Amino acid sequence: EVQLVESGGGLVQPGGSLRLSCAASGFTFSSYLMHWVRQTPGKGLVWVSRVNSDASSTTYADSVKGRFTISRDNAKNTLYLQLNSLRAEDTAMYYCAGGPAAYFDLWGRGTLVTVSS
Amino acid sequence: QSALTQPASVSGSPGQSITISCAGTSSDVGSYDLVSWYQQHPGKAPKLMIYEGSKRPSGVSNRFSGSKSGTTASLTISGLQAEDEADYYCCSYAGSSTYVFGTGTKVTVL
Repeated sequence: EVQLVESGGGLVQPGGSLRLSCAASGFTFSSYLMHWVRQTPGKGLVWVSRVNSDASSTTYADSVKGRFTISRDNAKNTLYLQLNSLRAEDTAMYYCAGGPAAYFDLWGRGTLVTVSS
Repeated sequence: QSALTQPASVSGSPGQSITISCAGTSSDVGSYDLVSWYQQHPGKAPKLMIYEGSKRPSGVSNRFSGSKSGTTASLTISGLQAEDEADYYCCSYAGSSTYVFGTGTKVTVL
C-alpha cells in the first residue's frame, strides 16, 4: 500500500524548533519530488518547500526561507522538515506530499504544529 | 508568491455542471501548462483530481475536466453528485521550482 506518514508535530513556544518526519512506503521514494504543504485551520493550502529526488536541490516559499530546512534520506525512505525560529503564523497542519513531476499525487494525513506561549 | 484567485464558493444541483476558475498571472498559470487541481473533504488530506492542466489520474471520474485560457485555469465538474461536495484547490508551477496554490473554493451540492 502506498503511504506517507508524518510525525513530529506538537506544541512549541515562539522562537522554538521542531523536526517533522514523513515515512514513505509502497512506491519508489527515490524517484519522487517531495514537498511540504501546510494548511492553517479553516484556511487554504500553502506550498512550503520542495526537494528533488536526489536531494541536490531545495526550494522554499519566501515566508519560511532561512528558517525551515527540507531534507530527505532515500536509504530510509524518509522526508524531513526542520522548523526553526517558529512564529505564531506557522501554526498549521503540515502535509508531506510527493509526485513524479510538478504535481502532488501522494499525500500524508498531516501533522499539526501549534506555536503558542 | 501571491495565491491564485478562486471564487470562495460555487454551488449546483445534482446532475448540473459547475466550473471553478483559478486566476493567476503571466508568471505562473500563464507561463506553464502545469496546473493541478485537488479535492479536499473535511478533515481529510487533499486528493489529486487533474494534473498538467487537463490530465486525469487513474481512478478519477471523467466527470472532472480541466482547461486553461491565458492566465486563468478552470475545473469543470459535470453531472454533479453529492459526493463532489468538498473544497477544491488549484495549484500552479511558478518557476524556479516553486509552486503556488489557489485560495480554495467550497463546492456545495444543493
